[in-house]
Amino acid sequence: DGGITQSPKYLFRKEGQNVTLSCEQNLNHDAMYWYRQDPGQGLRLIYYSQIVNDFQKGDIAEGYSVSREKKESFPLTVTSAQKNPTAFYLCASSIWGQNSYEQYFGPGTRLTVT
Amino acid sequence: SQQGEEDPQALSIQEGENATMNCSYKTSINNLQWYRQNSGRGLVHLILIRSNEREKHSGRLRVTLDTSKKSSSLLITASRAADTASYFCATGGTSYDKVIFGPGTSLSVIP
Repeated sequence: DGGITQSPKYLFRKEGQNVTLSCEQNLNHDAMYWYRQDPGQGLRLIYYSQIVNDFQKGDIAEGYSVSREKKESFPLTVTSAQKNPTAFYLCASSIWGQNSYEQYFGPGTRLTVT
Repeated sequence: SQQGEEDPQALSIQEGENATMNCSYKTSINNLQWYRQNSGRGLVHLILIRSNEREKHSGRLRVTLDTSKKSSSLLITASRAADTASYFCATGGTSYDKVIFGPGTSLSVIP
């Protein structure tokens, strides 16, 4: 049963704490992505990775960090430096190549920081 | 760095009617993709149209692409209540580039 999983579905944290969101895929995709979505808005790219041990900043990387130690996994850490971390976080994966390919999305993690 | 822009922002129709959403973009693309998102869920890929294609069909979906006008449209025919969702266009760059999503159109299909 191939796909992309995110955990947990809901996450609550106190302000000032770092929190790590999990993303795993078994689609054998090279590329993985993290997006942030705020209510009624589109997706904003936080970080993406084209290959293991390499990743690139997206449009809103400040206050976030990632790692890509395994092809299957791309965890996102929301640090205390992120000013407004409450949002819906989506992870995706795709083939990476000269042409853009369709992205497969996980179910998302809704993070609430109080 | 937003590329695609959907229009309208919100659309409400009766079940059985057709729904048309438009997407405009600014720079050259390799392909354009449409995605659907049900409330509180991840996005689901619907269809990809390449820059050398003008029209593509998938079930009740019809996508057109006009590269001269830098625009695309998504038509959903004979809409159903289950089509209620947000629809996003995403533009793919010309070389090893990431996909950029627009802000989306919220579609409500009233039974």
